[in-house]
Amino acid sequence: AQSVTQPDIHITVSEGASLELRCNYSYGATPYLFWYVQSPGQGLQLLLKYFSGDTLVQGIKGFEAEFKRSQSSFNLRKPSVHWSDAAEYFCAVGGDSSYKLIFGSGTRLLVRP
Amino acid sequence: EPEVTQTPSHQVTQMGQEVILRCVPISNHLYFYWYRQILGQKVEFLVSFYNNEISEKSEIFDDQFSVERPDGSNFTLKIRSTKLEDSAMYFCASSEAFRRETQYFGPGTRLLVL
Repeated sequence: AQSVTQPDIHITVSEGASLELRCNYSYGATPYLFWYVQSPGQGLQLLLKYFSGDTLVQGIKGFEAEFKRSQSSFNLRKPSVHWSDAAEYFCAVGGDSSYKLIFGSGTRLLVRP
Repeated sequence: EPEVTQTPSHQVTQMGQEVILRCVPISNHLYFYWYRQILGQKVEFLVSFYNNEISEKSEIFDDQFSVERPDGSNFTLKIRSTKLEDSAMYFCASSEAFRRETQYFGPGTRLLVL
């Protein structure tokens, strides 16, 4: 079955600390992977995406993610978190065989001052 | 920067009523989508639309749902007879192409069915 798992429902980090949000996927074909962020009252904003090539991808706001095929993972990282990063983060997978994106359940990030 | 827009931002309706949710996709995009997120649950795909036809739909997208592109700019989702369980945030998205393309999401319409 196709699915995305984000094992952490909530994560709290201190401002300036590093961050890693986990994402594991199950997908029968070559996956395209995305991270979206949702701030309160806002839509889903694309942070970064992976289609092919370099497995370390850079996104907006200083985020990066690494695709590890052997682990079926696409974890999101940021070296130093800012208070404005507090939001909900969604990992999603898609592919050539379907129009739909499959989303994880999201991780809510809280940032301590 | 071009954005997907959605109206209304909030809608409250009575069970059994029809609702139409509206979206204006990014202007040069050709593929359009609706997703929904029930409170506390995952974002779920409902339907994709291309060239005035449904290209894919989920099992959620039953006969009470329909989509339409009534003119060159709008994309609508109609729920014919709303149920309590239709209460959710509905997101519209669009993409320039299908393969290896990003879906850009609007801010959502929060629908509450009483």
